[in-house]
Amino acid sequence: QVQLVDSGGGVVQPGRSLRLSCAASGFSFSTYGMHWVRQAPGKGLEWVAVISYDGNSKYYADSVKGRFTISRDNSKNTLFLQMHSLKAEDTAVYYCAKDRRDSSGYIDSWGQGTLVTVSS
Amino acid sequence: EIVLTQSPATLSLSPGERATLSCRASQSVNNYLAWYQQKPGQAPRLLIYDASNRAPGIPARFSGSGSGPDFTLTISSLEPEDFAVYYCQQRSYWPPTPTFGGGTKVEIK
Repeated sequence: QVQLVDSGGGVVQPGRSLRLSCAASGFSFSTYGMHWVRQAPGKGLEWVAVISYDGNSKYYADSVKGRFTISRDNSKNTLFLQMHSLKAEDTAVYYCAKDRRDSSGYIDSWGQGTLVTVSS
Repeated sequence: EIVLTQSPATLSLSPGERATLSCRASQSVNNYLAWYQQKPGQAPRLLIYDASNRAPGIPARFSGSGSGPDFTLTISSLEPEDFAVYYCQQRSYWPPTPTFGGGTKVEIK
């Protein structure tokens, strides 16, 4: 069955960087689009970024554009989110998530989430 | 940018009752709409996609309807495990990027 294991979260100071990883298994990783979605404490869901199955297309929410970079290594079934210039408002649980197809825009599987806390 | 407005914010019902959740888009999203369920401390779960298609493994008591700007998620008879927060989500045509609504909490009355 599909398994997504998020990692890399932690406490980081404003302005610093952090890289999240997501190890995927149980499906043909290289044929699906992948997303990052975040959820601030006690708040709703916010989509962050998506990458196509081959890594050639990437799109971002306006709130992270220019600061975050999504990437993938299909040889290692791993998804990444590189985050720079972190702000307090980036504090959230970050979920790695699998698209229902290559680029349906719907998410049918989610990781357990990794908490990023931006604080001095 | 399309904005999704969910109502009500909170729905207080008893097990066995029917739940009707609303999601309104600021402009037409065709049928590109999904519904997710999220329980405390858990990741969301896809229930419905393309407005009315149940995802694999989702019980028949969950149904989605609507088109254009107005959509509804109906739970025909609430089970104890259905008390949770529900989010609607639209995808733009291209690029197919998601936007979520603010959520409706279904709580036990």
